[in-house]
Amino acid sequence: GENVEQHPSTLSVQEGDSAVIKCTYSDSASNYFPWYKQELGKRPQLIIDIRSNVGEKKDQRIAVTLNKTAKHFSLHITETQPEDSAVYFCAASNSNDYKLSFGAGTTVTVRA
Amino acid sequence: GAVVSQHPSWVICKSGTSVKIECRSLDFQATTMFWYRQFPKQSLMLMATSNEGSKATYEQGVEKDKFLINHASLTLSTLTVTSAHPEDSSFYICSARGGQTFLNEQFFGPGTRLTVL
Repeated sequence: GENVEQHPSTLSVQEGDSAVIKCTYSDSASNYFPWYKQELGKRPQLIIDIRSNVGEKKDQRIAVTLNKTAKHFSLHITETQPEDSAVYFCAASNSNDYKLSFGAGTTVTVRA
Repeated sequence: GAVVSQHPSWVICKSGTSVKIECRSLDFQATTMFWYRQFPKQSLMLMATSNEGSKATYEQGVEKDKFLINHASLTLSTLTVTSAHPEDSSFYICSARGGQTFLNEQFFGPGTRLTVL
């Protein structure tokens, strides 16, 4: 099955700085890579996703890059704000069973 | 659009009792529903996949007789935790996938916090 690894496990940044989270996956059949933000006790919230036919996608302060050859994808948050503090999960799935395999999560703390 | 509800949002029960959690897609027909369990400070772990009208597929290590899943319609799936024990205390989250309209994207319910005393 798919194995998704995520680093770092914790990340502390100064407000206004950038945050980068990296994930790798193992299954070459994976073709959908969403990123979720989860606040304590809440559901995961999709913040951005990318499909395997695209190398980069941006939405305001958030961007995701995908390197299919190396099987890794990254989340970039620019101009971080205190409200960006949360746990972020990467995930991967394929079009056979659509199961999502999640990374272990990154706790992001933005210092004011 | 693409709203998923879950009920109850929290439940406290005594050891040995059974608890049923409902997951509903409110504005779309869910081809597939997924059930996850999340322990504190951990990631989401897929428990099972259910397709409407067919038996659920359980992930390795998940006891199908303990976690009963029913997907009776395209908008409703239920998870019953039978003979619950304290180690079953966790955050249970469902998600739904809506077929060709949304491709791979899953829409998550708000979760159910289960505490077994």
